[in-house]
Amino acid sequence: GQQVMQIPQYQHVQEGEDFTTYCNSSTTLSNIQWYKQRPGGHPVFLIQLVKSGEVKKQKRLTFQFGEAKKNSSLHITATQTTDVGTYFCAVGVWGAGSYQLTFGKGTKLSVIP
Amino acid sequence: KAGVTQTPRYLIKTRGQQVTLSCSPISGHRSVSWYQQTPGQGLQFLFEYFSETQRNKGNFPGRFSGRQFSNSRSEMNVSTLELGDSALYLCASSFGQGVEAFFGQGTRLTVV
Repeated sequence: GQQVMQIPQYQHVQEGEDFTTYCNSSTTLSNIQWYKQRPGGHPVFLIQLVKSGEVKKQKRLTFQFGEAKKNSSLHITATQTTDVGTYFCAVGVWGAGSYQLTFGKGTKLSVIP
Repeated sequence: KAGVTQTPRYLIKTRGQQVTLSCSPISGHRSVSWYQQTPGQGLQFLFEYFSETQRNKGNFPGRFSGRQFSNSRSEMNVSTLELGDSALYLCASSFGQGVEAFFGQGTRLTVV
């Protein structure tokens, strides 16, 4: 099945530092989604990228989709304690009449005040 | 509008028992997917239902089953529980394929 590698697994940053998580696939992706899960919470949708080379911004968050549509990144500028959580990428795979969202293992972000 | 509702929130069961978890999707959403989340394996896809039909199934043993009702509510059942089934079970609903999924708060299952 579709495999997606996400790195790093953990990241500890000082408040105010930047943070980046990467998602890589060996195959070309149709789209990629990003989710955030706060401690004790459930995954919450952040964004979906569809086009090659696409860049989208949400305040301090910047999402990129690679030109070859095989990788993606999420960059947070000047982290805050509210950014704490696990960030997941998820790729949609279409099969014979079926669709499955496959998640990366996630990057757990800790922000030290 | 109301979000995805999962019941119960917490459950403790004994090995060998069976359990049924419930998920009510967002009104109008016909696709419901189930995931198992554990610290070591992350979010793993269990199955997806659309209009009462299972369209896709993950790599889980037959002890894991599900169904969807005409009102799009879904249930998943795990029979002959094992200690390794302890996990957070998440349900997600969406309007269709390839669009954002809305997750419920999950059911935390502990098997003792």
